[in-house]
Amino acid sequence: QQQVKQSPQSLIVQKGGISIINCAYENTAFDYFPWYQQFPGKGPALLIAIRPDVSEKKEGRFTISFNKSAKQFSLHIMDSQPGDSATYFCAASQGGASGSRLTFGEGTQLTVNP
Amino acid sequence: GAVVSQHPSWVICKSGTSVKIECRSLDFQATTMFWYRQFPKQSLMLMATSNEGSKATYEQGVEKDKFLINHASLTLSTLTVTSAHPEDSSFYICSASLPGQSYQPQHFGDGTRLSIL
Repeated sequence: QQQVKQSPQSLIVQKGGISIINCAYENTAFDYFPWYQQFPGKGPALLIAIRPDVSEKKEGRFTISFNKSAKQFSLHIMDSQPGDSATYFCAASQGGASGSRLTFGEGTQLTVNP
Repeated sequence: GAVVSQHPSWVICKSGTSVKIECRSLDFQATTMFWYRQFPKQSLMLMATSNEGSKATYEQGVEKDKFLINHASLTLSTLTVTSAHPEDSSFYICSASLPGQSYQPQHFGDGTRLSIL
């Protein structure tokens, strides 16, 4: 019930292409869905987050699409750049409670070729 | 804003010694901090939730006597790995979120790479 499933495990995209990473969750109590980017040897950094009252949120080249009925959400990276090469994690929490714990997906290693 | 700092960034020590890792919230007060462990090419695994002024809450399977957590102030939590052994070698990361506000992201430190010889 607490799991967040993430796919694909790895992704190779050409520069300028669109990178798409998908996540699915089971716990309907989850109501906050952040995406994190992690470079080797560094901690995760927040990219973008969404709440289920909207179906899409866009910040620059990054877009989250959210399907509440299917309990799925995805990250789209438009015009992917070599500098976007990193590991991406989706996560979920019961965000309404301050200090609530995150449940992470397994991660996607993205490589953007020049 | 919302900067979380960890120290040290890398530590190498002999088997049997104890190692302390510090996690500080630099520009906000954090009543709750989280400690994660991450193995190479794997996701973050929550070890414990650190609450200021009270005992930490450990996840199932995490030895509380092995991984001592102290959250003595609103800006500092420490993780001490006691009697460390090679299997404790890992990347340890802490996080915190702004207190008293809902739907706030967790902000992560840059992690501590622990290598036990």
